[in-house]
Amino acid sequence: EDKVVQSPLSLVVHEGDTVTLNCSYEVTNFRSLLWYKQEKKAPTFLFMLTSSGIEKKSGRLSSILDKKELFSILNITATQTGDSAVYLCAVEASGNTGKLIFGQGTTLQVKP
Amino acid sequence: KAGVTQTPRYLIKTRGQQVTLSCSPISGHRSVSWYQQTPGQGLQFLFEYFSETQRNKGNFPGRFSGRQFSNSRSEMNVSTLELGDSALYLCASSLRGLAGVTGELFFGEGSRLTVL
Repeated sequence: EDKVVQSPLSLVVHEGDTVTLNCSYEVTNFRSLLWYKQEKKAPTFLFMLTSSGIEKKSGRLSSILDKKELFSILNITATQTGDSAVYLCAVEASGNTGKLIFGQGTTLQVKP
Repeated sequence: KAGVTQTPRYLIKTRGQQVTLSCSPISGHRSVSWYQQTPGQGLQFLFEYFSETQRNKGNFPGRFSGRQFSNSRSEMNVSTLELGDSALYLCASSLRGLAGVTGELFFGEGSRLTVL
């Protein structure tokens, strides 16, 4: 059965810290891995990683995909209180267009 | 460009009733997916529609159904509501499904259903 596991489930840091969020997966015919940020509303897209794009960076956020070891990490440097949110990892299998399998999410709290 | 719009945003129903939720995708998006989000189970896939056809379905009972119209708007229906159906129902649209197109799903803000 396809599965996505995120760790840690929750994390509390102080502004300026660097955090690493983990996502491991088991999926048949992997197609892509996506990271989303969810505050008290709609999940917003961060990154999509595929076989042809295993490292992405946007400002203080970056992500890598290790297809051999079946995991991804999301790094946030110089954290700010606005980074407080639930971070969701999801994977998609080939042929399952539109079906994402989500992990439980990591709740990040950044204290001033 | 308008985002994904879901209505209603909040609703309260009692056990045994039925509910219909609506989703208007981003203009030009023909793929619409539905997800149920609960504290215990997280985000779980319900179904996906493309060009009025259901292409994929998750592991939910037959009480959960959906459809898509020719303008890509979608509805989902839950009949004979149970307490456990209380959840945030999220709709997402994307360009996926068009030949050679990949990309992210754009989520709406959801419809929060409470079943009493």
